Amino acid sequence: GAGVSQSPSNKVTEKGKDVELRCDPISGHTALYWYRQSLGQGLEFLIYFQGNSAPDKSGLPSDRFSAERTGGSVSTLTIQRTQQEDSAVYLCASSSDTNSRDYTFGSGTRLTVV
Amino acid sequence: GEDVEQSLFLSVREGDSSVINCTYTDSSSTYLYWYKQEPGAGLQLLTYIFSNMDMKQDQRLTVLLNKKDKHLSLRIADTQTGDSAIYFCAESSSGGYQKVTFGIGTKLQVIP
Repeated sequence: GAGVSQSPSNKVTEKGKDVELRCDPISGHTALYWYRQSLGQGLEFLIYFQGNSAPDKSGLPSDRFSAERTGGSVSTLTIQRTQQEDSAVYLCASSSDTNSRDYTFGSGTRLTVV
Repeated sequence: GEDVEQSLFLSVREGDSSVINCTYTDSSSTYLYWYKQEPGAGLQLLTYIFSNMDMKQDQRLTVLLNKKDKHLSLRIADTQTGDSAIYFCAESSSGGYQKVTFGIGTKLQVIP
């Protein structure tokens, strides 16, 4: 696509439920990144994909968080047993390779856990 | 580890210059970036500077880098109301993949 697409744009979920957030990167971009933006916290790196593998998942905050990428394209971030502290904007970015300055962000998914 | 710090808020009058400052700790930083985030949108890359440069100018934007002090600044000349946004300073290092580390963001308010 023309840009990085994320869905849903907004998600309200009850505490304890599982959620899936989707990222559709720019076509041909091999690198994909997930970040979390919490109020007053800046952008927190979560995970990086190169193709379908995740060489760096050091930012995932707990084992309730997981992500996968299939076909070197779409990625899904899954949060199990959501907690209120998971409420944040989840941003996805993609780039054409690992040494590229064409990092392009999606508009994010605003997750609210009630 | 990497750390990028910037002030939270800046208010300027329309037509004045804005200067947003940032400090970073990683001496191996290769690229330093400024991103802009408008309400409800993702981050948009404004400009970046390679660490062996002192200054980069792009129309109304001037980036200054003091590598010795690990200080980066973004100057916006003739600030307009459309410049109101959150500005993120960020850095990445060479070698391996270039994970970008972001600051907390500076909210720029332009008063008409």
